[in-house]
This record gives sequence, C-alpha cells and structure tokens, in this order.
Amino acid sequence: NAGVTQTPKFQVLKTGQSMTLQCAQDMNHNSMYWYRQDPGMGLRLIYYSASEGTTDKGEVPNGYNVSRLNKREFSLRLESAAPSQTSVYFCASSLEARTEAFFGQGTRLTVV
Amino acid sequence: AQRVTQPEKLLSVFKGAPVELKCNYSYSGSPELFWYVQYSRQRLQLLLRHISRESIKGFTADLNKGETSFHLKKPFAQEEDSAMYYCALSGAGSYQLTFGKGTKLSVIP
Repeated sequence: NAGVTQTPKFQVLKTGQSMTLQCAQDMNHNSMYWYRQDPGMGLRLIYYSASEGTTDKGEVPNGYNVSRLNKREFSLRLESAAPSQTSVYFCASSLEARTEAFFGQGTRLTVV
Repeated sequence: AQRVTQPEKLLSVFKGAPVELKCNYSYSGSPELFWYVQYSRQRLQLLLRHISRESIKGFTADLNKGETSFHLKKPFAQEEDSAMYYCALSGAGSYQLTFGKGTKLSVIP
C-alpha cells in the first residue's frame, strides 16, 4: 500500500514564485494535515482538514493556502514564496481526531 | 493551549545502557499522547501511544498526569534505536497534533 504520497520530493523556487505541493492518501482517512519541519523547531502544523470539505488554520498558516480536493487529496499552495518558507514539508492523514497519523516522505523546499 | 516540551536536543548513550527520553506537556484537559520516531531516510512513524499501554521495540511510556510527563524508556539501548524521537499531544476533540521539538538519540556501539 502506498499510504501517504507527496509530490514533489525536492523543489527549488525563486523568491516570489508560486507552487503547489500535492498530497494523496489511499487509506480512506477522514483527516489530513500539512506540517513544516525546521531544525530545532520540530513539526509545526500549517493547516488541517478534519473532513472532506473543511479546512482550518494550524499554528503557522501565514503565506499558505490549502485545498481539500476530495477525500483522498489535500494540496498546499505557496502563492509568493519567501526564503522563510525554506523547510521540509510533511503531509499526514488520520482516520479521525486523536488517532494515529500516517506521514508522507516529505518535500524538501528551498526558496532562494 | 497545548504545548509539548522535550528538554534534550541530543541524547547519547552506550549500547546496552538504559534510555530515557523526556517529554513534558501543558494541557488543561485529558490529553492523548504519542511518541513518533523518524529513522534516517525514513518517514515519521508512530512508535507508541499512551492509551494502548503497549511495549514497542522494547520501549514503554507511562503517562504521569501529576507531573504532566510522558517519558519514553528502554532498559537496554540498541544501535538500531538511533533516530529522532518526537513526543506529540492531541487535546480533547482536537484535530491538532502538537509536536515537541524532538530529541536525537545516538546509541554508541
């Protein structure tokens, strides 16, 4: 089983460029999440979607937008990338609140 | 607000020595607590959760509500335990999983 799949794995952007990170899960999970991981900061929640059709801000939502396209897919968009958004981004899914979260392999994004 | 604190960024132990990775939390209600592990070049995965009270790969963790702690322990460290460990908390009815900053465990042969 693929689990949670993210694309791309690596990306380099110039300041001001836009891009969308894609995430899909095949476990029929209701909830999906986007985190960023920075050295010494752990994982911080950007946005989450409790169920299809809903999205909510997490701890660090500024500069990002999300779309829950359907139950399987949850995308993260950077409209105008900034060097401060250089990070490793993880998508995750869970069946519901307070259950095990399954993570993708991560996207390493560099903004120059 | 919910907060998770892992006071050690790096913990080095010798193979066969006991391991304790500390985790303290701040949350006024009834928390759900987890330990996640990230091995080199692998994705983050669940190690254990307090509600299951299991021992996974020899690791155990007990929720101490009085001390608001959820420390991860293993009596005898193995080289394959070297990894990044994250403590995480989910509040009542919350979809937000709050992570600590992580502790890198290095087991010295």
